[in-house]
Amino acid sequence: DAGVIQSPRHEVTEMGQEVTLRCKPISGHDYLFWYRQTMMRGLELLIYFNNNVPIDDSGMPEDRFSAKMPNASFSTLKIQPSEPRDSAVYFCASSYDRPWLIYTEAFFGQGTRLTVV
Amino acid sequence: DAKTTQPPSMDCAEGRAANLPCNHSTISGNEYVYWYRQIHSQGPQYIIHGLKNNETNEMASLIITEDRKSSTLILPHATLRDTAVYYCIVGVLNQLTFGKGTKLSVIP
Repeated sequence: DAGVIQSPRHEVTEMGQEVTLRCKPISGHDYLFWYRQTMMRGLELLIYFNNNVPIDDSGMPEDRFSAKMPNASFSTLKIQPSEPRDSAVYFCASSYDRPWLIYTEAFFGQGTRLTVV
Repeated sequence: DAKTTQPPSMDCAEGRAANLPCNHSTISGNEYVYWYRQIHSQGPQYIIHGLKNNETNEMASLIITEDRKSSTLILPHATLRDTAVYYCIVGVLNQLTFGKGTKLSVIP
């Protein structure tokens, strides 16, 4: 498996524009996580899905942020309108959970570096 | 808020053991201790986890105190490629809260 795939790797956009980040989780994984990383705040969990259903979005900073998971192999994180303070590295991660396993690790993608100017 | 306390930085000589401490005095009975690391510009990478027993895998060893209020990650023979930020996390799978971590620098 190629691992968690994120696109684009880098995105530069102007303030006010819509930005869409994409993630393809590892096949067979039923959990998907979106994280944001900045120097000031470190790694923050924004939202996670289980079996394509959003379970906890309490980390989403504001209504400008939205995330969807239309199927098991694809998720998007959208920012509309974007602002300079949204500049960060956004990571997607996936994992799976089975009753007979105590814990399984989360696999992270390479991230999308977003710059809003 | 992160439930762990780690030193912000540490140095280790190449080939020596790196011992990274973590305090988690408020850990609950059902919470695991996880360690991840992040090499520059890459996504975090899982290293090891444990509940109350010491654990070892091909990457590292995890020593958890009997009261579970602290733990130590041990990289037995550090290499330059182990230079990274190491995160100690307590919780459950779906609620991994990353703190600031420890920046480990392996010195030649």
